[in-house]
Amino acid sequence: DADVTQTPRNRITKTGKRIMLECSQTKGHDRMYWYRQDPGLGLRLIYYSFDVKDINKGEISDGYSVSRQAQAKFSLSLESAIPNQTALYFCATSDSHGANEKLFFGSGTQLSVL
Amino acid sequence: EDQVTQSPEALRLQEGESSSLNCSYTVSGLRGLFWYRQDPGKGPEFLFTLYSAGEEKEKERLKATLTKKESFLHITAPKPEDSATYLCAVLSNFGNEKLTFGTGTRLTIIP
Repeated sequence: DADVTQTPRNRITKTGKRIMLECSQTKGHDRMYWYRQDPGLGLRLIYYSFDVKDINKGEISDGYSVSRQAQAKFSLSLESAIPNQTALYFCATSDSHGANEKLFFGSGTQLSVL
Repeated sequence: EDQVTQSPEALRLQEGESSSLNCSYTVSGLRGLFWYRQDPGKGPEFLFTLYSAGEEKEKERLKATLTKKESFLHITAPKPEDSATYLCAVLSNFGNEKLTFGTGTRLTIIP
């Protein structure tokens, strides 16, 4: 079983719809992240959480919200999806006790907003 | 603002043909430079962390090196299974402990 699991793997939705992407991890890590990946732009940080009570905006948080339901669960919501949110979304975790930001990524969710 | 530029964007090599990928960076105090490998349809997978100029790390056919302005990922006698996109990222000593990623180099090894 994967250590970082994202659901769904693929999602097609329409403009204006609310959708949620979910992430769960079995690594026991405190830190969790949501990134989006677009061709030619690389990975960009949307939100991150260093523990259950800590939520922080990344560089491109507009139009997104998150919820850290438990240490192992971190969900990303698009309140009203728009076409330029079409992208590949990754959840990642890291160990706060480590001396570096070695990230463990899920397999991604390909989101298409029509 | 931290910046990472990777070159080339894509590289095609014959099996066994050694080469290097470049990662140039600007950062206000380097805490760490990271290399990841990403296969199609998968999330990035950690390869190396480098912390200071002159440091080198090796794993199988890959060797990562670091200077004050750039890092190289050297691939020696590559095999087709080394085909992937290689991502570089930096972590600054200042700010909110987030990685800044480059756009990657897509490496294809031709049998």
